[in-house]
Amino acid sequence: NAGVTQTPKFQVLKTGQSMTLQCAQDMNHNSMYWYRQDPGMGLRLIYYSASEGTTDKGEVPNGYNVSRLNKREFSLRLESAAPSQTSVYFCASSYRGLMNTEAFFGQGTRLTVV
Amino acid sequence: AQRVTQPEKLLSVFKGAPVELKCNYSYSGSPELFWYVQYSRQRLQLLLRHISRESIKGFTADLNKGETSFHLKKPFAQEEDSAMYYCALKTSGSRLTFGEGTQLTVNP
Repeated sequence: NAGVTQTPKFQVLKTGQSMTLQCAQDMNHNSMYWYRQDPGMGLRLIYYSASEGTTDKGEVPNGYNVSRLNKREFSLRLESAAPSQTSVYFCASSYRGLMNTEAFFGQGTRLTVV
Repeated sequence: AQRVTQPEKLLSVFKGAPVELKCNYSYSGSPELFWYVQYSRQRLQLLLRHISRESIKGFTADLNKGETSFHLKKPFAQEEDSAMYYCALKTSGSRLTFGEGTQLTVNP
């Protein structure tokens, strides 16, 4: 059981370049999330998708777009990368519909923008 | 708006000492609260959830709605408890918000 899989694990971009971070889960979860993790700032929610077909902004959505491609996949796109987007990005998923269900996380993508 | 606050970024204790990691939240509805842990080089994983009132690895957390707190406690810290701990709040609509995290170091 793979759980939540993110690709790539590492990426270096030049300022202004674009890229898409991929996330897939095989647990039949309906909710999916993208976070960024920065020292001293914890995990900040970028976007989330409560269920297939819906997406909502989180705390720090500027500079990002998302696509909920289907129930399994939720991608994060940086259209024009900036050094401030250097971070570790985590995808997560959980089941919506039951109280207090846990979220499962991917292994993270370490992105450096130079 | 929902918010989670963990006032201590760093916490250092000696092995065998009690430890308490603080978490406060703001949310007008009925909160679902969790503690997640990230050990070095591992994925973030669930430690415990308030609804279960369980003890995991010796840790407990009690939801205090009056003080809007969900502090994590362990009476005798172990070296293997050294990790980053995150408090999280899940609201209706499935939005899952994390605090800033507390890096716990347990010294021998």
